[in-house]
Amino acid sequence: QKEVEQNSGPLSVPEGAIASLNCTYSDRVSQSFFWYRQYSGKSPELIMSIYSNGDKEDGRFTAQLNKASQYVSLLIRESQPSDSATYLCAVNNFGNEKLTFGTGTRLTIIP
Amino acid sequence: DTEVTQTPKHLVMGMTNKKSLKCEQHMGHRAMYWYKQKAKKPPELMFVYSYEKLSINESVPSRFSPECPNSSLLNLHLHALQPEDSALYLCASSQVGVRELFFGEGSRLTVL
Repeated sequence: QKEVEQNSGPLSVPEGAIASLNCTYSDRVSQSFFWYRQYSGKSPELIMSIYSNGDKEDGRFTAQLNKASQYVSLLIRESQPSDSATYLCAVNNFGNEKLTFGTGTRLTIIP
Repeated sequence: DTEVTQTPKHLVMGMTNKKSLKCEQHMGHRAMYWYKQKAKKPPELMFVYSYEKLSINESVPSRFSPECPNSSLLNLHLHALQPEDSALYLCASSQVGVRELFFGEGSRLTVL
């Protein structure tokens, strides 16, 4: 079983709709969770971090964490064509300097 | 403005060449990272420096040699690379103990 799993997609969502991206992780002691956005040919950009169970909202983005079920998700509201990118989920354990990335989900917003 | 700057943005080198990738951050971070990313794959950790000391080497071949001259600078020295080493090399920085990584724009390396 991979440490961090994501559906590779592509995930196609109509413009203006909600895009829902999911990520599961295998290590129960994981404590820090991150979502990175990566445009084609560019470097990853941090868009959300979440450390506690529940929801965290930042503008059109909402991260959701459920440690009991070992999943973290990212919702993008009012999706725009500029949201088309690969979204990488990353997980870290306390005291471990290594960030483990999922394989990424390619999201396409259809105008 | 990008606060983690990498140079060069593109590099083409032969298998016998010696070259270096450079990274500079102006975020006051004391942890710096080198990642390697192949097309359609996630970034793979290569090295971590914490307080200018090498803390993680992910069993990277010795043809890659990292150096951290000070808290703002990180170099990756390249020697006798193989074509399969062609990839996007990403530098990142963070506060020590906090894994919110901030990436530079990357150096795209092609080994002929």
